[in-house]
Amino acid sequence: RKEVEQDPGPFNVPEGATVAFNCTYSNSASQSFFWYRQDCRKEPKLLMSVYSSGNEDGRFTAQLNRASQYISLLIRDSKLSDSATYLCVAQSGGSYIPTFGRGTSLIVHP
Amino acid sequence: EAGVVQSPRYKIIEKKQPVAFWCNPISGHNTLYWYLQNLGQGPELLIRYENEEAVDDSQLPKDRFSAERLKGVDSTLKIQPAELGDSAVYLCASSTQGLNNEQFFGPGTRLTVL
Repeated sequence: RKEVEQDPGPFNVPEGATVAFNCTYSNSASQSFFWYRQDCRKEPKLLMSVYSSGNEDGRFTAQLNRASQYISLLIRDSKLSDSATYLCVAQSGGSYIPTFGRGTSLIVHP
Repeated sequence: EAGVVQSPRYKIIEKKQPVAFWCNPISGHNTLYWYLQNLGQGPELLIRYENEEAVDDSQLPKDRFSAERLKGVDSTLKIQPAELGDSAVYLCASSTQGLNNEQFFGPGTRLTVL
């Protein structure tokens, strides 16, 4: 079983839709969580960190559920430019080792 | 400010040949990571440096892979000899020290082993 699991998708949604991705992690020692965005044939870039209390950045909302060991990303009012792969990352506290999920592909169509 | 620089961007070699990748992190970033990314997968950590010290290399196949960061700045990752299954994108990332710090990735080196 992978330490960080994501549904690879693709999620195919129309512009303006709301879409949510979940990511589960198996290492209960994980302390830091992130969502990265990766465009086709490009490097990953940080989208947002995930805080225990949840956090929002414009159309994007990230939440953490430690009891069930999952994090989520909600995208409201999807834009064509949101089409990308979204990578979930869990990082353990002791060793600082970051573990990436395989990514969830999002396709936003007109 | 310059980002993470990697070279070469593309490399095609025959199996059993050696290959080396170079990474120059963002100035002031003490932490440097090397990742391998296969198509349709997320990046997999190979090795992490804090300054010149390799603090985690448990995922590095040490029979053929080696890495160094002699002066705690730029780093080299080497494969010798390369195998067909090593074809992938090799990503370098850097960050400041700390648990919650953002990683900045370079553009990667796309390796094809024939």
